[in-house]
Amino acid sequence: KAGVTQTPRYLIKTRGQQVTLSCSPISGHRSVSWYQQTPGQGLQFLFEYFSETQRNKGNFPGRFSGRQFSNSRSEMNVSTLELGDSALYLCASSPDIPYWDTGELFFGEGSRLTVL
Amino acid sequence: GESVGLHLPTLSVQEGDNSIINCAYSNSASDYFIWYKQESGKGPQFIIDIRSNMDKRQGQRVTVLLNKTVKHLSLQIAATQPGDSAVYFCAETTGNQFYFGTGTSLTVIP
Repeated sequence: KAGVTQTPRYLIKTRGQQVTLSCSPISGHRSVSWYQQTPGQGLQFLFEYFSETQRNKGNFPGRFSGRQFSNSRSEMNVSTLELGDSALYLCASSPDIPYWDTGELFFGEGSRLTVL
Repeated sequence: GESVGLHLPTLSVQEGDNSIINCAYSNSASDYFIWYKQESGKGPQFIIDIRSNMDKRQGQRVTVLLNKTVKHLSLQIAATQPGDSAVYFCAETTGNQFYFGTGTSLTVIP
């Protein structure tokens, strides 16, 4: 079974631009979560989608948004990029049983965003 | 928000020795804890979990200990191998989110 696939793996943007990252979950998984990973803050939860609906949301500004499609693929968008948005963005998928009950979060390899 | 921290950001151990990675959490209502391992260039992978009604759980070469009195979690790796070199994260949850610590980087010295 293929794992979680994230694209692009690396990208460089400049301040003020916007970026869209894509995530294809494991087949059959309907939950997709997004995390921001930075050296100082560790992994911070952005949001989670389940069956095309945002089910949970972290404490990030509105510049960070996401969506999920009917095939469970998800995208996240960051508008008006700031230098501090430079990070590894990780996507994780999980089966229908909530991951907060099972710990079953399957992570992709991430998209590394550099903002100049 | 939640505060999940780690006592040491880096840890070096000799191959074959046991490793102990520590984690402190702040929310006494947390009821589920998980350890993840992240190898270079990869996403985190589930290692072992423990619920708040337990104080110890063992897996293959790994043991997690939970001390709810002092809100402390530890991961013990027996007979550490070069393949264990990675960043280890603890995560805790009280509901519908995980809160991750910043991670401890484990280096295994051959």
